[in-house]
Amino acid sequence: NAGVTQTPKFRILKIGQSMTLQCTQDMNHNYMYWYRQDPGMGLKLIYYSVGAGITDKGEVPNGYNVSRSTTEDFPLRLELAAPSQTSVYFCASSYPQTGELFFGEGSRLTVL
Amino acid sequence: GENVEQHPSTLSVQEGDSAVIKCTYSDSASNYFPWYKQELGKRPQLIIDIRSNVGEKKDQRIAVTLNKTAKHFSLHITETQPEDSAVYFCAASKTGNQFYFGTGTSLTVIP
Repeated sequence: NAGVTQTPKFRILKIGQSMTLQCTQDMNHNYMYWYRQDPGMGLKLIYYSVGAGITDKGEVPNGYNVSRSTTEDFPLRLELAAPSQTSVYFCASSYPQTGELFFGEGSRLTVL
Repeated sequence: GENVEQHPSTLSVQEGDSAVIKCTYSDSASNYFPWYKQELGKRPQLIIDIRSNVGEKKDQRIAVTLNKTAKHFSLHITETQPEDSAVYFCAASKTGNQFYFGTGTSLTVIP
């Protein structure tokens, strides 16, 4: 099992550009999540999904969009990138029964 | 929504000493409390968790205690080792699909 795989690992964007962070998991987990991690701020939930075709907003959804067309994939779309979106992004997945989050390696995004 | 506060933000201990990290939560309906360890440049990984029907849980040198009345839970690491140096995050959840994280504690174990 590869677990949770995120791409790209690093990206620099200019203000106003758009991009998609890819996330895929091979553990057949129902639940998937996107978090952002800023220094001293912990992990903040952006969006989550409890299954294919179902997505919901987390704590900080503004400026992002997601889709969940398959169990395996949960891409995060940034439209009109802003400096405030400079962060490390983590995708995660879990079984609903156990609750343990399995994280990807993270994607460091810088918006200049 | 839930609000999780974590203290201290930084903690330095001598090797072999104990370390304690404390978290409080605001939503009395929260019933699942995991702790994650994040080494520098790595992904967070679960080290221990506790559910609201249990007051304490141990796994070798790591233990977690939960006080539902006071709405706080703590991570205890005994006989600390240099490899325990990392950032530790607490979290709380009531739904199993939304986790609210604390702001993290940077633990340094001094050899």
